[in-house]
Amino acid sequence: DVKVTQSSRYLVKRTGEKVFLECVQDMDHENMFWYRQDPGLGLRLIYFSYDVKMKEKGDIPEGYSVSREKKERFSLILESASTNQTSMYLCASREGHTGELFFGEGSRLTVL
Amino acid sequence: GQNIDQPTEMTATEGAIVQINCTYQTSGFNGLFWYQQHAGEAPTFLSYNVLDGLEEKGRFSSFLSRSKGYSYLLLKELQMKDSASYLCAVQSSNDYKLSFGAGTTVTVRA
Repeated sequence: DVKVTQSSRYLVKRTGEKVFLECVQDMDHENMFWYRQDPGLGLRLIYFSYDVKMKEKGDIPEGYSVSREKKERFSLILESASTNQTSMYLCASREGHTGELFFGEGSRLTVL
Repeated sequence: GQNIDQPTEMTATEGAIVQINCTYQTSGFNGLFWYQQHAGEAPTFLSYNVLDGLEEKGRFSSFLSRSKGYSYLLLKELQMKDSASYLCAVQSSNDYKLSFGAGTTVTVRA
């Protein structure tokens, strides 16, 4: 079974703090994604990566950056957290350019 | 880009049938996915349609009409455990990104 592991299920941070959300997949998938999920808005794509060292902006990249130094790891970085970044963050991976996404359990971030 | 619409909520009785509609507008289509998400859990894959027609998988079926930009997910013989959010997602043929609708919350009542 594919396993996508997110480092923290729940985080509470203060405005202005730097936040790292880590995601690791164990199936050698090439594609990795970061979404945020908010009530009434569904899942919105923040950043994605189709290969090591490669990153592409999704639909809502402002205020975020990512890092993909190794194939299995895709990190989401909030340089200076703000209250409007309070959300559920979901990481996903996919074997190639088609096929289903496999999601992690999610990281619920609260910014005070 | 993608514009994906699905109803916000649906309620049905145990044992009944529910049909969740999804309409989309896209500049390039490379398939439509349905995911199930229970409260507090990760979304899990249910079905994938890339050609027109009906795909059946046990109690769940998914239909696609590319010319109409329309899909539905049919849940038969509803069980209490089917209470969840159902997400419609469209894949772009331009960049292979997957865009999601806001989700439909289905509540199954005894």
